[in-house]
Amino acid sequence: ETGVTQSPTHLIKTRGQQVTLRCSSQSGHNTVSWYQQALGQGPQFIFQYYREEENGRGNFPPRFSGLQFPNYSSELNVNALELDDSALYLCASSLGQTNTGELFFGEGSRLTVL
Amino acid sequence: GEDVEQSLFLSVREGDSSVINCTYTDSSSTYLYWYKQEPGAGLQLLTYIFSNMDMKQDQRLTVLLNKKDKHLSLRIADTQTGDSAIYFCAEAAMDSSYKLIFGSGTRLLVRP
Repeated sequence: ETGVTQSPTHLIKTRGQQVTLRCSSQSGHNTVSWYQQALGQGPQFIFQYYREEENGRGNFPPRFSGLQFPNYSSELNVNALELDDSALYLCASSLGQTNTGELFFGEGSRLTVL
Repeated sequence: GEDVEQSLFLSVREGDSSVINCTYTDSSSTYLYWYKQEPGAGLQLLTYIFSNMDMKQDQRLTVLLNKKDKHLSLRIADTQTGDSAIYFCAEAAMDSSYKLIFGSGTRLLVRP
């Protein structure tokens, strides 16, 4: 049990729709990162939020966006969903940008796009 | 470029030791990680090693780091059926953010 919680656990959308995924970070952690894990692959970095600002982004288009709130929880928004967006979306929390080494993941939100 | 490579599959007998290998490319990585993922679940942090260390032991887990060859290994002693899962190696890349670069994972099957 890492203390990182994500919701919803599963959801199904259709192409063109929009989705919002939510993450609560572990107590005391102020940095949240989002990763996409396609079936059979390792997770890929989407972006990171620190002190409510985006702090680095992977190779994902602008229709992937996010927010971080004052309580350090975070949202991942994906607009204009495509079939290839079907994946497990993982949130990770850590303390600070430079990190002490510990990076804990939640159980993920599994998105299916039809 | 950043790339982490792992073998795809490993099968061992219960009670034997398992060794999962990984190579990475970024010599400036500060930390290297091992995560475990069971079917339908998220990533469980097993252990991590700071780049100035050669070895780290944590109960049944031993991590060896060879910085010269950019090679990381995870040894699981006395492997149990509950260890069957996918194991991911990851290196930390620090530019504007702290992000992990993952391998594709090694599926460990423990036979009774």
